[in-house]
Amino acid sequence: AQSVSQHNHHVILSEAASLELGCNYSYGGTVNLFWYVQYPGQHLQLLLKYFSGDPLVKGIKGFEAEFIKSKFSFNLRKPSVQWSDTAEYFCAVMNNAGNMLTFGGGTRLMVKP
Amino acid sequence: DAGVIQSPRHEVTEMGQEVTLRCKPISGHNSLFWYRQTMMRGLELLIYFNNNVPIDDSGMPEDRFSAKMPNASFSTLKIQPSEPRDSAVYFCASSTGTSREQYFGPGTRLTVT
Repeated sequence: AQSVSQHNHHVILSEAASLELGCNYSYGGTVNLFWYVQYPGQHLQLLLKYFSGDPLVKGIKGFEAEFIKSKFSFNLRKPSVQWSDTAEYFCAVMNNAGNMLTFGGGTRLMVKP
Repeated sequence: DAGVIQSPRHEVTEMGQEVTLRCKPISGHNSLFWYRQTMMRGLELLIYFNNNVPIDDSGMPEDRFSAKMPNASFSTLKIQPSEPRDSAVYFCASSTGTSREQYFGPGTRLTVT
């Protein structure tokens, strides 16, 4: 069975601070990894995804994530956060068959202006 | 494209009543997923369909929950009878077999009193 752990449940940062959200997964097969963002009151939107190739993935809005296979990690980063980045962030892993997406518990990010 | 459409956006009902949530996936997508989001349990996959056929319903909490997909453009999630612990946001998502990226609808916020 696949699982995802996001150890930071709540993160508070000031604008312009750097961000790194942790994500560790457990899955024995080839992994497809995702980061979704959920702005207050809205639905989930895809930030970025990793299927194969370059382990450093760049997404929208200046976000990036690095797949480190040896650590079973897929941490999300942004060099300088903005107030508008206040949201909940979800890491997810999909099985190789492409039909089961398992989400982590989410990290609530608050950026203070 | 209008994206994934869900209705109603908000539903308030009394315990014991039947609740039906509706979803229209993105045209051309052949996989449809129902998720439930709560503060306590995060995002949980309830059931998913591929080509209108239920593939995995192991996430459906109990027999009070049922889901159907009579055609490629419509799915329902029914709760009968509803209970206060069913209060949550229910998301529908769809994807194609090749992209593996799931597109989420705006969700239905269900409150059972």
